[in-house]
Amino acid sequence: AQKVTQAQTEISVVEKEDVTLDCVYETRDTTYYLFWYKQPPSGELVFLIRRNSFDEQNEISGRYSWNFQKSTSSFNFTITASQVVDSAVYFCALSGNYGQNFVFGPGTRLSVLP
Amino acid sequence: EAGVTQFPSHSVIEKGQTVTLRCDPISGHDNLYWYRRVMGKEIKFLLHFVKESKQDESGMPNNRFLAERTGGTYSTLKVQPAELEDSGVYFCASSFFAGTGAREQYFGPGTRLTVT
Repeated sequence: AQKVTQAQTEISVVEKEDVTLDCVYETRDTTYYLFWYKQPPSGELVFLIRRNSFDEQNEISGRYSWNFQKSTSSFNFTITASQVVDSAVYFCALSGNYGQNFVFGPGTRLSVLP
Repeated sequence: EAGVTQFPSHSVIEKGQTVTLRCDPISGHDNLYWYRRVMGKEIKFLLHFVKESKQDESGMPNNRFLAERTGGTYSTLKVQPAELEDSGVYFCASSFFAGTGAREQYFGPGTRLTVT
């Protein structure tokens, strides 16, 4: 069975600090996909990144970066120089290779204080 | 391009009543998914359509829930009769059909259902 763990329930940081959100997954599939979504106070889930299991390169997009470590089954998300607008709930999700449903982690609520 | 839309945004009904939630996916997306987040719990999968066919409905909690996708376009999720434990936020998502591989899913804003 697939499972996603986000051990950090809530994190608070002060603006301009760097913050890392942890995501650990379990799957028996050899091919799988990992995703991160942001849920701002408005409620919709906003897609951030998709990564397949064969691509272990780290990715950077502006202030966001992702570290995929297959050896530890982790897909961590770092926000550099955090801003108040980054305050949201962040979800990590896992999917198999055939367009199946996502398995979500419980989410991490990030509060960035001015 | 319009995103995934859901109607209504909020619904408050009494136990035993019927509610129908609607989802309009992004045009051209063959995959349509329903998820639910019950208060304090994780977002859980309900079912998956490919066009008008139910691909996977293993997450549907019981036979009080009925989902349809007319002509492979919009989808409805009916709860009849509603129970207190059905309260939560119901999300709809859509994605391109990729055969193999998993594409990102685009989510609607959700429908908050409260059963009293």
